[in-house]
Amino acid sequence: IQLTQSPSSLSASVGDRVTITCRASQGISSYLAWYQQKAGKAPKLLIYAASTLQTGVPSRFSGSGSGTDFTLTISSLQPEDFATYYCQQLNSYPPTFGGGTKVEIK
Amino acid sequence: QVQLQESGPGLVKPSQTLSLTCTVSLGSISSGDYYWTWIRQPPGEGLEWIGHIYYSGSTIYNPSLKSRLTISIDTSKNYFSLKLSSVTAADTAVYYCARSGLRSGIGYWGQGTLVTVSS
Repeated sequence: IQLTQSPSSLSASVGDRVTITCRASQGISSYLAWYQQKAGKAPKLLIYAASTLQTGVPSRFSGSGSGTDFTLTISSLQPEDFATYYCQQLNSYPPTFGGGTKVEIK
Repeated sequence: QVQLQESGPGLVKPSQTLSLTCTVSLGSISSGDYYWTWIRQPPGEGLEWIGHIYYSGSTIYNPSLKSRLTISIDTSKNYFSLKLSSVTAADTAVYYCARSGLRSGIGYWGQGTLVTVSS
């Protein structure tokens, strides 16, 4: 299953609302996770099952979608949110990742 | 909370076998709730799922690597391992070990270790 993320990069300001899209090449129900990766660090799980917030993740992060179309929203971008974001499908093997969306400071 | 740490050579020659170990601490690798997973990331690129192993020894591999890949587990010593044979420069990457749920994502990651394939 291929996952296509858009945009591949974006520039935003602190306080902006940011939305990242992940589209699957076939239906994956709600078996989708989102990760945040900062430079030189391992990814961090933000959301699983499309919309379930991982423990400890700030509530400004939210996820939605099912089937083939999913979104990750950051309601008010904070300085620590500048990073690359990946989606991953967990519906079938191998659990593929999207190509990533780099969120940069405007 | 569980911690994972990769270890192994940082440089491997082409055609040789890449071997890494992931030591798990502050948690039992014998927990039936999780899969022990390897992921890699070539420099400047995205993430690739390599494969995972259950505490029973059951494995699932990425078909793109399956012919060269072996993942094993030692529950008595709380670690799991990866062996990738016949490596080429395309296998140069940061290799991560991790703990994942079947449908709940990869919740815990090691810090990652860079493996370079070069003569």
